[in-house]
Amino acid sequence: DAGVIQSPRHEVTEMGQEVTLRCKPISGHDYLFWYRQTMMRGLELLIYFNNNVPIDDSGMPEDRFSAKMPNASFSTLKIQPSEPRDSAVYFCASSPRGHREKLFFGSGTQLSVL
Amino acid sequence: AQKITQTQPGMFVQEKEAVTLDCTYDTSDPSYGLFWYKQPSSGEMIFLIYQGSYDQQNATEGRYSLNFQKARKSANLVISASQLGDSAMYFCAMREGLRETSGSRLTFGEGTQLTVNP
Repeated sequence: DAGVIQSPRHEVTEMGQEVTLRCKPISGHDYLFWYRQTMMRGLELLIYFNNNVPIDDSGMPEDRFSAKMPNASFSTLKIQPSEPRDSAVYFCASSPRGHREKLFFGSGTQLSVL
Repeated sequence: AQKITQTQPGMFVQEKEAVTLDCTYDTSDPSYGLFWYKQPSSGEMIFLIYQGSYDQQNATEGRYSLNFQKARKSANLVISASQLGDSAMYFCAMREGLRETSGSRLTFGEGTQLTVNP
C-alpha cells in the first residue's frame, strides 16, 4: 500500500521564483494536511482539506502561499513569489475519516530559496 | 504560551533498555487528543500512538505506551526494549476538540532526539 507521495523531494530555487509542491494522499483518506517544519518554529499546520474542501487555512503565512486540491488524489502548495525565509521542509499528510488521529506523513519536500 | 512542552532536547538509552520521553501539555478544553510521532533521519513523520482525553486506559502500541496522567497534564511516551532503529526525533502533539467537526489543528512540541547506543 503506497503511502503519501510528495514531489519533489528537494527543491532549490531563487528568490522571486514560483514554487509548486505536490502531494498524492493515501487512497481513501478524507483529510489532507500541509505542514511546514523549520528549526525556529518547529512543525506548523498551514492548511488542511476535508473531502477536497479547504477547512482551515489560518496557518498560511501570506498571500504568497496558496493550496489547492482539485481532486481526492492530488494537492498542490504553491509559493509565488518565493523568499529565502520560505526555506523549510514541507510535509503533506493524510488521514482517514473517523481516524483523524492517525496522520500519515509523506517524506517531505526540502525547499531552499536562495 | 506553550501548549506542548518537551523538556528533553536529547536522550540516550542503551539498547534493550526502556526509555521515557516527557511531554506536558496545556489546554482548557476538556476534549483533546495527544499524539506521538517519530521522525528518523530520513525525515518522514511516523505516527506512533494516540491517547484521547476521555480514554480510561493508557494507550499501547507494541513497544510503545503512553503514560497519561491527566491531573498532571502529562503524556509521556515509554519505549520498551529499545532498538537501534529507535534512534530518531520524537514529537509530542495535541489536538483540542475530539469531534469530527472540531478541526484538525495539531500543535507540536519541539521534539526530543533519542539516541540508542549498542
